[in-house]
Amino acid sequence: KNQVEQSPQSLIILEGKNCTLQCNYTVSPFSNLRWYKQDTGRGPVSLTIMTFSENTKSNGRYTATLDADTKQSSLHITASQLSDSASYICVVSGDGNNRLAFGKGNQVVVIP
Amino acid sequence: EPEVTQTPSHQVTQMGQEVILRCVPISNHLYFYWYRQILGQKVEFLVSFYNNEISEKSEIFDDQFSVERPDGSNFTLKIRSTKLEDSAMYFCASSELRGTGELFFGEGSRLTVL
Repeated sequence: KNQVEQSPQSLIILEGKNCTLQCNYTVSPFSNLRWYKQDTGRGPVSLTIMTFSENTKSNGRYTATLDADTKQSSLHITASQLSDSASYICVVSGDGNNRLAFGKGNQVVVIP
Repeated sequence: EPEVTQTPSHQVTQMGQEVILRCVPISNHLYFYWYRQILGQKVEFLVSFYNNEISEKSEIFDDQFSVERPDGSNFTLKIRSTKLEDSAMYFCASSELRGTGELFFGEGSRLTVL
């Protein structure tokens, strides 16, 4: 069964600090891996999309990495802001946009 | 910036009632999707729709569910006879491409079945 596991489940960080979120997956075949940000009660918003050949991709203060050999990805948040408080969802595609495999999300809380 | 819009934002219904959730995908997108997220759980795929027909559906999408694109802009999800376990946030999404195309989600419709 295609699975996406994220860790830590939740974390609290001080404003201005960095943090790294982890994603391990067993989806096969692999098409691409996405990171989404989901504010409470809102729809997910795409941060990055990486295909097999991409190792890293940045979007502002967000930097995602991908190791397709070990089936691991990380999302690094630099100089966190209060608005970064959200759930960060790792999503893996094995067949285009059909049947995306979603992780449960990393719940990040940034405190002043 | 173009966006996916969903209505209603919140609907409360009695068990056994029919519910229709509406979505207006981004205008030049060709692929449409419904997902649901039960409170505290992960987002789950329901159905994908392309060229006026269902292209794939999950085990959750049983005979109680149906989708329709009644005109050139709306994309609807109908639940024929709601059950308590249908209570969830329902997200509509659309994409320009099927493969690596970015998926744009709406803000969701929260369905509460009493």
